Amino acid sequence: GQNIDQPTEMTATEGAIVQINCTYQTSGFNGLFWYQQHAGEAPTFLSYNVLDGLEEKGRFSSFLSRSKGYSYLLLKELQMKDSASYLCAVLSNDYKLSFGAGTTVTVRA
Amino acid sequence: IAGITQAPTSQILAAGRRMTLRCTQDMRHNAMYWYRQDLGLGLRLIHYSNTAGTTGKGEVPDGYSVSRANTDDFPLTLASAVPSQTSVYFCASSDLAGGPDTQYFGPGTRLTVL
Repeated sequence: GQNIDQPTEMTATEGAIVQINCTYQTSGFNGLFWYQQHAGEAPTFLSYNVLDGLEEKGRFSSFLSRSKGYSYLLLKELQMKDSASYLCAVLSNDYKLSFGAGTTVTVRA
Repeated sequence: IAGITQAPTSQILAAGRRMTLRCTQDMRHNAMYWYRQDLGLGLRLIHYSNTAGTTGKGEVPDGYSVSRANTDDFPLTLASAVPSQTSVYFCASSDLAGGPDTQYFGPGTRLTVL
């Protein structure tokens, strides 16, 4: 099975940087996803890491260390619209996703 | 292109009633999934289907059944609803051909069982 941990809540100021950490223990690993979910909406895909290292996509970056069972999502130049929940999810060898409980990020003016 | 649609958007149901949540995708994805999302617990997999004609159990399958008669549709049935099945239900799909791929989610169904 999978055990995925991420902080429950984080608060940051508009224009700042926030780093959301995710640790996992897994019996099989086929990659790690980050999703964004605004209140009352569906999760939407942000990033996928399967190799160690940093993947950058505009203001969002995601990092993976497979040996440490660790990932983070970095949000730069925070905007009010970035207020949402961020879900860390691990893909198993049989292509099933296991999700963490999510981190609610609140961006304040 | 609609992507994934779910119906109904929300429903209030009396305990003991039967209910089918509908999910349709137009992306020709071979894999489809049903999740429930509860506060503090995150998304949990109920059932999945890697291809039309096959289904499998996820983390929390009890009280739910699914069928996959064709590529596009993946209905979820609650045979006899109980209050603990009050949740938001998300359907998702992905294209597994050639390896792991991103799961895309429908808009969700908010179900309340009284």
